[in-house]
Amino acid sequence: DTAVSQTPKYLVTQMGNDKSIKCEQNLGHDTMYWYKQDSKKFLKIMFSYNNKELIINETVPNRFSPKSPDKAHLNLHINSLELGDSAVYFCASSQTPGQGAGEQYFGPGTRLTVT
Amino acid sequence: DAKTTQPNSMESNEEEPVHLPCNHSTISGTDYIHWYRQLPSQGPEYVIHGLTSNVNNRMASLAIAEDRKSSTLILHRATLRDAAVYYCILRDGVDRDDKIIFGKGTRLHILP
Repeated sequence: DTAVSQTPKYLVTQMGNDKSIKCEQNLGHDTMYWYKQDSKKFLKIMFSYNNKELIINETVPNRFSPKSPDKAHLNLHINSLELGDSAVYFCASSQTPGQGAGEQYFGPGTRLTVT
Repeated sequence: DAKTTQPNSMESNEEEPVHLPCNHSTISGTDYIHWYRQLPSQGPEYVIHGLTSNVNNRMASLAIAEDRKSSTLILHRATLRDAAVYYCILRDGVDRDDKIIFGKGTRLHILP
Protein backbone atom coordinates (compact mmCIF):
# COMPACT_ATOMS: atom_id res chain seq x y z
CA ASP A 1 0.00 0.00 0.00
CA THR A 2 1.32 3.40 -0.97
CA ALA A 3 1.54 5.70 2.06
CA VAL A 4 1.50 9.01 0.16
CA SER A 5 0.24 8.98 -3.39
CA GLN A 6 0.07 11.70 -6.00
CA THR A 7 -1.70 11.97 -9.32
CA PRO A 8 -0.77 12.49 -12.02
CA LYS A 9 2.87 11.43 -12.11
CA TYR A 10 3.54 13.52 -15.20
CA LEU A 11 1.68 16.62 -16.38
CA VAL A 12 2.45 18.47 -19.58
CA THR A 13 0.41 21.56 -20.34
CA GLN A 14 0.54 24.91 -22.05
CA MET A 15 1.05 28.32 -20.56
CA GLY A 16 -2.11 29.93 -19.30
CA ASN A 17 -3.90 26.69 -18.50
CA ASP A 18 -5.26 25.72 -15.07
CA LYS A 19 -4.29 22.35 -13.61
CA SER A 20 -4.61 20.38 -10.39
CA ILE A 21 -2.41 17.84 -8.66
CA LYS A 22 -3.96 15.49 -6.14
CA CYS A 23 -2.39 14.01 -3.03
CA GLU A 24 -3.68 11.41 -0.61
CA GLN A 25 -2.12 9.83 2.45
CA ASN A 26 -3.32 6.73 4.26
CA LEU A 27 -1.08 7.10 7.30
CA GLY A 28 -3.60 8.85 9.50
CA HIS A 29 -1.38 11.92 9.74
CA ASP A 30 -2.73 15.32 10.71
CA THR A 31 -0.44 17.45 8.61
CA MET A 32 0.23 17.56 4.88
CA TYR A 33 2.68 19.60 2.80
CA TRP A 34 3.49 20.65 -0.73
CA TYR A 35 7.09 21.09 -1.83
CA LYS A 36 8.53 22.30 -5.13
CA GLN A 37 11.82 20.99 -6.54
CA ASP A 38 13.13 23.15 -9.36
CA SER A 39 15.55 22.31 -12.15
CA LYS A 40 18.51 23.00 -9.86
CA LYS A 41 17.15 20.34 -7.50
CA PHE A 42 16.42 22.71 -4.61
CA LEU A 43 13.49 21.51 -2.53
CA LYS A 44 11.34 24.29 -1.08
CA ILE A 45 8.25 24.08 1.03
CA MET A 46 5.18 25.81 -0.39
CA PHE A 47 2.32 25.04 2.00
CA SER A 48 1.38 22.96 4.98
CA TYR A 49 -2.06 22.10 6.31
CA ASN A 50 -2.88 20.74 9.74
CA ASN A 51 -6.34 19.23 10.08
CA LYS A 52 -7.51 21.19 7.04
CA GLU A 53 -6.13 24.45 8.43
CA LEU A 54 -3.42 26.35 6.54
CA ILE A 55 -0.31 26.55 8.72
CA ILE A 56 2.50 27.53 6.36
CA ASN A 57 2.30 29.61 3.18
CA GLU A 58 5.77 30.33 1.91
CA THR A 59 5.46 33.37 -0.35
CA VAL A 60 3.80 31.41 -3.07
CA PRO A 61 2.00 33.31 -5.87
CA ASN A 62 -1.76 33.54 -5.54
CA ARG A 63 -2.06 31.41 -8.65
CA PHE A 64 -1.30 28.46 -6.39
CA SER A 65 -4.18 27.42 -4.18
CA PRO A 66 -4.06 24.37 -1.94
CA LYS A 67 -7.31 22.70 -1.02
CA SER A 68 -7.79 20.19 1.75
CA PRO A 69 -11.22 18.53 1.67
CA ASP A 70 -10.26 16.31 4.61
CA LYS A 71 -7.10 15.58 6.53
CA ALA A 72 -6.15 12.71 4.23
CA HIS A 73 -6.14 14.84 1.08
CA LEU A 74 -4.29 17.97 0.02
CA ASN A 75 -4.72 19.04 -3.57
CA LEU A 76 -2.79 21.76 -5.36
CA HIS A 77 -4.55 23.88 -7.95
CA ILE A 78 -2.52 26.14 -10.20
CA ASN A 79 -4.10 28.89 -12.29
CA SER A 80 -2.63 30.58 -15.35
CA LEU A 81 0.39 28.33 -15.55
CA GLU A 82 3.74 29.94 -16.40
CA LEU A 83 6.96 28.50 -17.77
CA GLY A 84 8.61 29.00 -14.37
CA ASP A 85 6.12 26.65 -12.77
CA SER A 86 7.82 23.72 -14.45
CA ALA A 87 9.20 21.60 -11.64
CA VAL A 88 8.63 18.45 -9.65
CA TYR A 89 6.01 18.88 -6.95
CA PHE A 90 6.11 16.65 -3.89
CA CYS A 91 3.38 16.06 -1.39
CA ALA A 92 4.29 14.94 2.14
CA SER A 93 2.59 14.15 5.41
CA SER A 94 3.53 13.88 9.07
CA GLN A 95 2.10 13.84 12.53
CA THR A 96 1.27 17.22 14.00
CA PRO A 97 4.39 19.41 14.15
CA GLY A 98 5.58 20.51 17.53
CA GLN A 99 5.23 17.06 18.99
CA GLY A 100 8.79 15.82 18.80
CA ALA A 101 9.33 16.59 15.13
CA GLY A 102 8.56 13.18 13.68
CA GLU A 103 9.42 12.16 10.18
CA GLN A 104 7.72 13.36 7.03
CA TYR A 105 6.66 10.88 4.40
CA PHE A 106 6.92 12.04 0.80
CA GLY A 107 4.99 11.07 -2.27
CA PRO A 108 6.65 10.04 -5.54
CA GLY A 109 6.33 13.49 -7.07
CA THR A 110 4.51 15.04 -10.02
CA ARG A 111 6.66 16.35 -12.83
CA LEU A 112 4.95 19.41 -14.28
CA THR A 113 6.14 20.70 -17.63
CA VAL A 114 4.72 23.95 -18.95
CA THR A 115 5.29 24.64 -22.63
CA ASP B 1 18.16 29.44 4.29
CA ALA B 2 19.32 26.04 5.43
CA LYS B 3 20.84 26.04 8.91
CA THR B 4 23.18 23.17 8.18
CA THR B 5 26.42 22.78 6.21
CA GLN B 6 27.32 19.61 4.32
CA PRO B 7 29.97 18.69 1.74
CA ASN B 8 28.64 18.88 -1.79
CA SER B 9 29.63 15.34 -2.67
CA MET B 10 31.34 12.24 -1.33
CA GLU B 11 32.47 8.92 -2.71
CA SER B 12 32.64 5.54 -1.09
CA ASN B 13 33.31 1.99 -2.11
CA GLU B 14 30.57 -0.56 -2.05
CA GLU B 15 30.34 -2.64 1.13
CA GLU B 16 32.38 -0.14 3.12
CA PRO B 17 31.13 2.21 5.86
CA VAL B 18 30.26 5.78 4.96
CA HIS B 19 30.40 8.75 7.31
CA LEU B 20 28.43 11.77 6.14
CA PRO B 21 29.20 14.91 8.18
CA CYS B 22 26.93 17.83 8.96
CA ASN B 23 27.62 21.08 10.79
CA HIS B 24 24.84 22.94 12.56
CA SER B 25 26.57 25.44 14.81
CA THR B 26 23.42 27.54 15.39
CA ILE B 27 21.29 24.64 16.59
CA SER B 28 18.81 25.53 19.33
CA GLY B 29 17.88 23.44 22.33
CA THR B 30 14.60 22.28 20.81
CA ASP B 31 15.96 21.42 17.35
CA TYR B 32 15.99 17.80 16.31
CA ILE B 33 18.60 16.65 13.79
CA HIS B 34 16.97 14.85 10.88
CA TRP B 35 18.45 13.09 7.91
CA TYR B 36 16.62 12.44 4.67
CA ARG B 37 17.83 11.07 1.40
CA GLN B 38 16.57 11.35 -2.14
CA LEU B 39 17.23 8.54 -4.56
CA PRO B 40 17.23 9.41 -8.27
CA SER B 41 13.76 10.28 -9.57
CA GLN B 42 12.12 9.65 -6.20
CA GLY B 43 10.74 11.70 -3.35
CA PRO B 44 12.82 12.33 -0.23
CA GLU B 45 12.93 9.46 2.21
CA TYR B 46 13.30 9.72 5.98
CA VAL B 47 16.49 8.08 7.27
CA ILE B 48 16.92 8.88 10.96
CA HIS B 49 16.62 11.63 13.54
CA GLY B 50 17.86 12.41 17.03
CA LEU B 51 18.04 15.08 19.69
CA THR B 52 21.04 14.52 21.92
CA SER B 53 21.92 10.84 22.08
CA ASN B 54 23.26 8.68 19.28
CA VAL B 55 20.56 6.77 17.44
CA ASN B 56 20.49 3.53 15.50
CA ASN B 57 17.89 2.10 13.16
CA ARG B 58 17.79 -0.46 10.39
CA MET B 59 18.98 2.05 7.81
CA ALA B 60 21.75 3.94 9.56
CA SER B 61 23.27 5.35 12.73
CA LEU B 62 23.36 8.96 13.81
CA ALA B 63 26.26 10.18 15.91
CA ILE B 64 25.66 13.55 17.56
CA ALA B 65 28.50 15.62 18.98
CA GLU B 66 28.35 16.40 22.66
CA ASP B 67 27.83 20.13 21.98
CA ARG B 68 25.30 19.22 19.26
CA LYS B 69 26.95 21.54 16.77
CA SER B 70 27.71 18.72 14.40
CA SER B 71 26.51 15.22 13.60
CA THR B 72 27.46 12.30 11.39
CA LEU B 73 25.24 9.92 9.51
CA ILE B 74 26.80 6.49 9.34
CA LEU B 75 25.89 3.91 6.73
CA HIS B 76 27.53 0.78 8.03
CA ARG B 77 27.87 -1.06 4.75
CA ALA B 78 27.12 0.97 1.65
CA THR B 79 25.40 -0.61 -1.32
CA LEU B 80 24.83 0.76 -4.79
CA ARG B 81 21.28 1.48 -3.76
CA ASP B 82 22.55 3.99 -1.19
CA ALA B 83 23.69 6.36 -3.94
CA ALA B 84 21.54 9.42 -3.33
CA VAL B 85 21.51 13.00 -2.09
CA TYR B 86 21.58 13.07 1.70
CA TYR B 87 20.07 16.03 3.50
CA CYS B 88 20.84 17.02 7.07
CA ILE B 89 18.02 19.14 8.47
CA LEU B 90 17.11 20.80 11.75
CA ARG B 91 13.49 20.67 12.87
CA ASP B 92 12.00 22.43 15.84
CA GLY B 93 10.40 19.93 18.17
CA VAL B 94 7.94 22.36 19.71
CA ASP B 95 7.09 24.85 16.98
CA ARG B 96 3.77 24.19 15.29
CA ASP B 97 4.97 26.32 12.40
CA ASP B 98 7.56 23.67 11.72
CA LYS B 99 8.87 23.28 8.20
CA ILE B 100 11.66 21.32 6.67
CA ILE B 101 14.24 23.58 5.06
CA PHE B 102 16.32 21.57 2.64
CA GLY B 103 19.84 22.66 1.82
CA LYS B 104 21.90 21.38 -1.08
CA GLY B 105 22.71 18.12 0.67
CA THR B 106 25.58 15.74 -0.02
CA ARG B 107 25.52 13.71 -3.20
CA LEU B 108 26.88 10.28 -2.29
CA HIS B 109 28.48 8.23 -5.04
CA ILE B 110 29.02 4.52 -4.43
CA LEU B 111 31.78 2.84 -6.40
CA PRO B 112 31.31 -0.85 -7.23
